[in-house]
Parts: sequence; C-alpha cells; structure tokens
Amino acid sequence: QVQLVQSGSEVKKPGASVKISCKASGYTFSDSLMNWVRQAPGQGLEWMGWINPNTGNPTYAQGFTGRFVFSVDTSVNTAYVQISSLKPEDSAVYYCARGFTIGDFWGQGTPVTVSS
Amino acid sequence: DIQMTQPPSSLSASVGDRVTITCQASQDISNHVNWYQQKPGKAPNLLIYDASNLHSGVPSRFSATGSGTDFSFTINNLQPEDVATYYCLQYHNLPRTFGPGTKVDVK
Repeated sequence: QVQLVQSGSEVKKPGASVKISCKASGYTFSDSLMNWVRQAPGQGLEWMGWINPNTGNPTYAQGFTGRFVFSVDTSVNTAYVQISSLKPEDSAVYYCARGFTIGDFWGQGTPVTVSS
Repeated sequence: DIQMTQPPSSLSASVGDRVTITCQASQDISNHVNWYQQKPGKAPNLLIYDASNLHSGVPSRFSATGSGTDFSFTINNLQPEDVATYYCLQYHNLPRTFGPGTKVDVK
C-alpha cells in the first residue's frame, strides 16, 4: 500500500536550518510529483510547491523561494525540503503529499518549532 | 493566482442535520476541485475529487457538486465523527490554492 512517512518533529533556533524527509513506498516514486504543504499553528493549508522526482525539477510557490529547497534521492525513494535561515514564522507543520492533483496520499506531517 | 473563498469560516449543527459548505473560485476552474477533511493533529484526508466524485471508502453521506467558479460540499445526516475542518483545493492552475477552511462543530 502507498505510504508517505515523514521525519520527526524538530526544534530549531532562529537562523538555523532544518531538512525534513518524506519516504515513499508502495508505488513507483518517480511516477508522481511530490508536493509540500505548510500549515502554521491554527491556520489553513498553504501549497509550497512540488518536485518532479523523475527530473529533480522543483517548482516553488511565491513566498517559498530562496530559503526553501526541494530535493529527492531516488535511490531511497525520499523527498526532502530544506529550510535555511529559519524564522519564528516558519514554525508550522509541513506535509508532503503525492500527485499532480494532491490526491489521496499525504505524509503524517512534521512539526517544526523555531524559537530562541 | 486563483483565489478560493469558502464561506462560512465555521458552523455548528446538530447530529442528523444537513450541512452545506461553498467554495468560490476567482476564475473558471472547470471541475478541478478536491475537498478534504482535516481533524485536529492529523493530515488532511481526501473526500471528493474532480468536484463531485466520492473517494474510495468515503461514506456516502458526503457529496459535492459544481463546476466553473461555484462549488458546494454537503454532509447529509451529520455525525459526531464529522467534527473537523473542511478545505477545498483548486488544481486547475499553479500555484495550487486551498480555500481558508470551514470548521464544522456538532451542537
């Protein structure tokens, strides 16, 4: 069965970096786009962008350029998002979600807390 | 960017009631809408795809309709386990955009 399993929660200081992973199983990893979605505390869902695992080509939404980098390692069927120069407003739950239409398979979410 | 408005932001209804949530797109998006349910502390769960198709395993009390710019999502016979926030998503264009969500409570 299809599964997306994300790395665990993170607590970081402002200015640090964090790298979140999303390990896929149960399907051909390179066949589906991988989306990243952010949810700040008490807020709605925000699409950050996606990456094509077949080509490694990322697409970023406005507001997620510069400090956010999507990558994949097809040898371990894993997608990553790295966030650098962390700010308190980056505190959120980050989800990976499969597919062009962001359909039925999501990771469980990775909470990131940025605090001094 | 396509904006998705989703009134109301919250509502409260009784068990057994019919609840309807609307979603309006800022431009024609055909039927390129999904509806999700999100319970606290959990990832969103797909309920409806392509504006009106019930995802596998989703109870038939959930339904949706719409095309173009106006979409609606209905819960018939509201159950206590339906307490959640419901989001629409357009996948017609990039960037993908979600509605702000509607929180449904049971009285």
